[in-house]
Amino acid sequence: DAGVTQSPTHLIKTRGQQVTLRCSPKSGHDTVSWYQQALGQGPQFIFQYYEEEERQRGNFPDRFSGHQFPNYSSELNVNALLLGDSALYLCASSLEIGPNSPLHFGNGTRLTVT
Amino acid sequence: GIQVEQSPPDLILQEGANSTLRCNFSDSVNNLQWFHQNPWGQLINLFYIPSGTKQNGRLSATTVATERYSLLYISSSQTTDSGVYFCAAQTPNNNDMRFGAGTRLTVKP
Repeated sequence: DAGVTQSPTHLIKTRGQQVTLRCSPKSGHDTVSWYQQALGQGPQFIFQYYEEEERQRGNFPDRFSGHQFPNYSSELNVNALLLGDSALYLCASSLEIGPNSPLHFGNGTRLTVT
Repeated sequence: GIQVEQSPPDLILQEGANSTLRCNFSDSVNNLQWFHQNPWGQLINLFYIPSGTKQNGRLSATTVATERYSLLYISSSQTTDSGVYFCAAQTPNNNDMRFGAGTRLTVKP
């Protein structure tokens, strides 16, 4: 049973560039959430996708956008990268939207912006 | 939104010791999870426990939803238990799991 997979594992970008991160949910899961974890902090919610639509968004600027595909996989795009975007980006999947659905996390993509 | 506070922020134990980690939350929840983040950043789901008590080997957790707190117990700690433990909570009608700042556990041999 494949868990949540993310790619790439590491990425180095320059300020102003754009980046795309990818996530495949755990088999059977249909909901994908993205989190940003800065060094020494807990993960912060970016947004959640269900049925190919953004269902909820955290306190992140429009530079952060996403997409969910018919096979439930998802992408996170960040435009006009800032140094402060350097973080571990975590993807989590769950079986159904809403309560009573535990999150399962991937290993993350570590993004460094120079 | 819901506030999630964890204590203590740091904990150093000798191998074999027991410990209790606490998570307080500011609102009624219908989803609460405990995670262990290893040094490589992987978040491992320990317990899904919006209420009640669960045990898994040397680990157990209790959530008292009416009093808005959860406890994670680690018994006979091992060096491999080291890492950061996070509590995350979700309120009804909200798809955002809110994380605490974590407890950094170091178990010394």
